[in-house]
Amino acid sequence: ETGVTQSPTHLIKTRGQQVTLRCSSQSGHNTVSWYQQALGQGPQFIFQYYREEENGRGNFPPRFSGLQFPNYSSELNVNALELDDSALYLCASSLMPDSNQPQHFGDGTRLSIL
Amino acid sequence: TQLLEQSPQFLSIQEGENLTVYCNSSSVFSSLQWYRQEPGEGPVLLVTVVTGGEVKKLKRLTFQFGDARKDSSLHITAAQPGDTGLYLCAGGPGNTPLVFGKGTRLSVIA
Repeated sequence: ETGVTQSPTHLIKTRGQQVTLRCSSQSGHNTVSWYQQALGQGPQFIFQYYREEENGRGNFPPRFSGLQFPNYSSELNVNALELDDSALYLCASSLMPDSNQPQHFGDGTRLSIL
Repeated sequence: TQLLEQSPQFLSIQEGENLTVYCNSSSVFSSLQWYRQEPGEGPVLLVTVVTGGEVKKLKRLTFQFGDARKDSSLHITAAQPGDTGLYLCAGGPGNTPLVFGKGTRLSVIA
């Protein structure tokens, strides 16, 4: 069974640039959730995708957008990067979209904005 | 918005000591999950508690879900350096994505 993989592992960007982060879900999982984890904090929910449709969104501006593909892999896109976007971005997959399902996390992408 | 408050925020103890960390909310959760996260890695699920009053044990870790399903605790017996990490609780009403607490950062000193 292949776990959740994220790429790249690290990324450095400057303010105003755009970034795309990628996530491959665990085999058999049709739901992907994205989280932002600032240093010393717990993960903050960005949005969730279920069967290629957005299925819930946290308190993040529209410049955070995403996609889910037919194979259930997913992308997180962030436009007009700001310094506060520096964080660990975590992707998690699950069997179903409800909060009772355990989340299987990747090891994240560490994004640094200069 | 449902919030999960975890306490303490930081905990540093000697190897062999016992400890308890707490996860509290004013909202009722259909279930609560506990995760441990080590530096450079994503969180890893430890346990899910579903029934009010439920107690689950995982080796030296004991998890309890409050009777009203608004709070949970994690007790570690005879802590070891390998227990060091960020302990996160997470929950939701069932039809929404998970909400995470800010975590308790545990350091066990040999």
